[in-house]
Amino acid sequence: AQSVTQPDIHITVSEGASLELRCNYSYGATPYLFWYVQSPGQGLQLLLKYFSGDTLVQGIKGFEAEFKRSQSSFNLRKPSVHWSDAAEYFCAVGASNNNDMRFGAGTRLTVKP
Amino acid sequence: DVKVTQSSRYLVKRTGEKVFLECVQDMDHENMFWYRQDPGLGLRLIYFSYDVKMKEKGDIPEGYSVSREKKERFSLILESASTNQTSMYLCASSLFRGDEQFFGPGTRLTVL
Repeated sequence: AQSVTQPDIHITVSEGASLELRCNYSYGATPYLFWYVQSPGQGLQLLLKYFSGDTLVQGIKGFEAEFKRSQSSFNLRKPSVHWSDAAEYFCAVGASNNNDMRFGAGTRLTVKP
Repeated sequence: DVKVTQSSRYLVKRTGEKVFLECVQDMDHENMFWYRQDPGLGLRLIYFSYDVKMKEKGDIPEGYSVSREKKERFSLILESASTNQTSMYLCASSLFRGDEQFFGPGTRLTVL
């Protein structure tokens, strides 16, 4: 079964600064990888996903993520953070042969003015 | 756009009550899921369903049951609510196994 770890519980960045949120996964085959964002009191919204092909994936709201098989990582990046990016971010790993999507514990992003 | 709706945003129940949480999706998805979300624990899968009347237990099914009588509707039932079931409950659906899941807005349940 797959699993995912988000090492950072809480990150604070200044508005306009760059952002990188870390995600490490464990899975024997090629995983399906996802980043979701959750605003307070809301459900989760997909930012981007990786199934195969180009390892650098572009998503909505200016986010991107890079799949690195050698490091079992799928880190989320944004070059310039906006105050509206303050939210909780979840990395998830799935597989084509089951419905067992695993979510990380989440990273809460605070944006300083 | 896929839409997943949940019957209530906020719910307050008393210990021992039977609680029904309803979820409806409008995109003919095969798979539907119920998660609970607690701070620091992320999302934990309670049950999922891959077809009408079909269900499988997730990681934390104890104290919960589910019902899927129609493809678009997936219900979570707390037979006898307890205070440790106070949580945010999220419903999701997906078209294919392992694929992107679409989430409802969540139901924040408080059991007193």
